Amino acid sequence: GENVEQHPSTLSVQEGDSAVIKCTYSDSASNYFPWYKQELGKRPQLIIDIRSNVGEKKDQRIAVTLNKTAKHFSLHITETQPEDSAVYFCAARGGGADGLTFGKGTHLIIQP
Amino acid sequence: SAVISQKPSRDICQRGTSLTIQCQVDSQVTMMFWYRQQPGQSLTLIATANQGSEATYESGFVIDKFPISRPNLTFSTLTVSNMSPEDSSIYLCSVEEVGGAGGYTFGSGTRLTVV
Repeated sequence: GENVEQHPSTLSVQEGDSAVIKCTYSDSASNYFPWYKQELGKRPQLIIDIRSNVGEKKDQRIAVTLNKTAKHFSLHITETQPEDSAVYFCAARGGGADGLTFGKGTHLIIQP
Repeated sequence: SAVISQKPSRDICQRGTSLTIQCQVDSQVTMMFWYRQQPGQSLTLIATANQGSEATYESGFVIDKFPISRPNLTFSTLTVSNMSPEDSSIYLCSVEEVGGAGGYTFGSGTRLTVV
């Protein structure tokens, strides 16, 4: 089955700086890669996703890049703000699978 | 996006008992899933709830422990059976959105504590 690795586990950045979170996956047939933000005590919220036929996608301050050859994808947050502080999870849907396999999460801390 | 209602939101249960969690969606969806999130951990897929047939379980999860029902396209239940303290987790229902945008939406979760 699919295996997703996520790094770093904790990331602390100064407000206004950029943050990058990286994930690798094992199943070369994986076709869908979402990113979720989870605030304490709340449900995971989808913030951006990318499909295997696209290399990059951007939504305001958030972007995701996908390198299918290397089997890795990354989340980029620019101009970070205090409200970006949360746990971020990457996930992948493996070939032939319906559900998602999640990475272990990154605790993003925005320092004022 | 779909609105998912999950009940109960939290419960404290005695070991050896069972709890049934309900998931109601405001629109018909093809795919419904159940995940577990242990304290401070990531999400793990338990099973896919199939309408009209038996659920599809992931490795490490079995029907006797986590029976699932899916009577129609808007509703599913997950039962946690013969509970032990190790079952203390947040259990989340999820659906795959229909239409071109796709994506998976999560319910607010059920926080289960087994004592």
